[in-house]
Amino acid sequence: GDSVTQMEGPVTLSEEAFLTINCTYTATGYPSLFWYVQYPGEGLQLLLKATKADDKGSNKGFEATYRKETTSFHLEKGSVQVSDSAVYFCALSSGSARQLTFGSGTQLTVLP
Amino acid sequence: KAGVTQTPRYLIKTRGQQVTLSCSPISGHRSVSWYQQTPGQGLQFLFEYFSETQRNKGNFPGRFSGRQFSNSRSEMNVSTLELGDSALYLCASSPGLGASIYNEQFFGPGTRLTVL
Repeated sequence: GDSVTQMEGPVTLSEEAFLTINCTYTATGYPSLFWYVQYPGEGLQLLLKATKADDKGSNKGFEATYRKETTSFHLEKGSVQVSDSAVYFCALSSGSARQLTFGSGTQLTVLP
Repeated sequence: KAGVTQTPRYLIKTRGQQVTLSCSPISGHRSVSWYQQTPGQGLQFLFEYFSETQRNKGNFPGRFSGRQFSNSRSEMNVSTLELGDSALYLCASSPGLGASIYNEQFFGPGTRLTVL
């Protein structure tokens, strides 16, 4: 079945540091890929998305590129802020059902 | 536009009891999906309802059930609660069926269920 493997956390960075959170996937067919963010006490919010190879999703300074050859969708941000502290989830949807399959989540803490 | 609302936000039950959680989708959305979030298993898909019919189901026992009403509001029921059912239950609504870049799922804040 489909699966998403996500970089283990937690990750602690200083403000303005560079962020990478690794995500690789296994899926039948050609999945759509997503990054979601969950702030404390809230539900998930879609951060960015991509649907085909070499697509780059971007939002709020975050970027991720759909790499079919390495089955990866790593999340990056050049300069993190304290307000980026949250849990980040990589996810995919594929097949006829198109339900979301999530990675385990990565807790990010950014220190001032 | 109001977001997805879930009630109640917090719930404490004891083993063996049953519980019903409610989800009101964004106006105009016809699909509601439910997910369970636990520290050990992460986020897992429970089921999806569209136009009052269950269209897709995850790998959960029959104790977990749901329904959707004609106004697209959805309820999820868990019978004979077990300690392992303690979790954050999230619902998500979308205009159409399934999750894709053309059919974004919008999540509610969740209901925190604690089973004692």
